[in-house]
Amino acid sequence: EVQLLESGGGLVQPGGSLRLSCAASGLMFSNYPMNWVRQAPGKGLEWVSVISDSGRNTYYADSVKGRFTISRDNSKNTLYLQMNSLRAEDTAVYYCVKGGRSNWAECDFWGQGTLVSVSS
Amino acid sequence: DIQMTQSPSSLSASIGDRVTITCRASQSITNNLNWYQQKPGKAPNLLIYSASTLLSGVPSRFSGSGSGTDFTLTISSLQPEDFATYYCQRSSLVPYTFGQGTKVEIK
Repeated sequence: EVQLLESGGGLVQPGGSLRLSCAASGLMFSNYPMNWVRQAPGKGLEWVSVISDSGRNTYYADSVKGRFTISRDNSKNTLYLQMNSLRAEDTAVYYCVKGGRSNWAECDFWGQGTLVSVSS
Repeated sequence: DIQMTQSPSSLSASIGDRVTITCRASQSITNNLNWYQQKPGKAPNLLIYSASTLLSGVPSRFSGSGSGTDFTLTISSLQPEDFATYYCQRSSLVPYTFGQGTKVEIK
């Protein structure tokens, strides 16, 4: 059974930093691209970033480009999201999401999410 | 960037009703479209990919159609467990933009 377990969320002040982690199990982690998707309280889904299976290729939404960095450690089956210069509008539940091998956006397994709150 | 617009934003329906949700892309995305279902407090679930391919295990009352810019998610006979919010998502090039969602409520 595929499991994705996010951690690292919490309360941070505007301008601060946070690193999210996602521990994957039940799949050959190194074979799949991985995404981060977020959802602000009471709002819709927003795609944030994707990383290729090898980690060589990364892409970001314009709203986080230059502030967030996605990375992965295939030896530890773990996905990361380093978030810097956080803003109030980054407040959201952040989901770790497995992509498809042929279509990176085919998000067929999701973690339970971790809440990031940016407030003074 | 390509924008994804869903309609309606919400709808009320009864058990057994046929429900149709539409998703329009601001430019052609051929058949690169996914549909998700999200229940309150839960992560979304992928229902349909490539506009019309049902994920294994998804009930056959769900179907997807369309290509280019106009897409449809249809629930042929609404069941109690189908009351949820549905999202379309562009799945071609980044950014993998989501529609704003359609909330299906009980009439």
